[in-house]
Amino acid sequence: DAGITQSPRYKITETGRQVTLMCHQTWSHSYMFWYRQDLGHGLRLIYYSAAADITDKGEVPDGYVVSRSKTENFPLTLESATRSQTSVYFCASTHSGSSNEQFFGPGTRLTVL
Amino acid sequence: AQSVTQLGSHVSVSEGALVLLRCNYSSSVPPYLFWYVQYPNQGLQLLLKYTSAATLVKGINGFEAEFKKSETSFHLTKPSAHMSDAAEYFCAVTEKIGGGADGLTFGKGTHLIIQP
Repeated sequence: DAGITQSPRYKITETGRQVTLMCHQTWSHSYMFWYRQDLGHGLRLIYYSAAADITDKGEVPDGYVVSRSKTENFPLTLESATRSQTSVYFCASTHSGSSNEQFFGPGTRLTVL
Repeated sequence: AQSVTQLGSHVSVSEGALVLLRCNYSSSVPPYLFWYVQYPNQGLQLLLKYTSAATLVKGINGFEAEFKKSETSFHLTKPSAHMSDAAEYFCAVTEKIGGGADGLTFGKGTHLIIQP
């Protein structure tokens, strides 16, 4: 199906474990983004990518790693999960240009125990 | 860095009443502005966007917003609330973040409650 998908939708893990959240889009959009959503903070940008093999930090990158070997995939890895990373994570993509809307995936709810 | 302020973390209106959700942004140049809606356990869906064409922007589900440069505001309105409008609403502004990319800076969101 066309669109932007995220997996898993729900994940429970323990402190110190490595976790990878997947994001896949079928539009061949150049730009992809990872946000985290926390109560009272809205959405905050973690990392973004302008194209395959081009990534950069956003507002809250500490504790996260990204890669983009293919245009359609943009995985987010928590190398050693902490309780403060309990959140809802959204992936988004857009073609180009600041007037273009970002299209959001359904989100991954991550709980770190 | 841009900032977006949404006045009121929770807004409650009666079904059929006017909906007004407030958004103010900080920018010295006219930005691109967006309103997104989030229904429970779902991602964000675009309601409408301002891209420097008309200052009054019409969106989906009967919502509209007016860009007022002098007030740095982009308030969202709907003449008559419906129960299905209950959701979280986010105002966002574009911001250059490097590499030719434009990110979105979001407000903290307003939870709209519709009273029967």
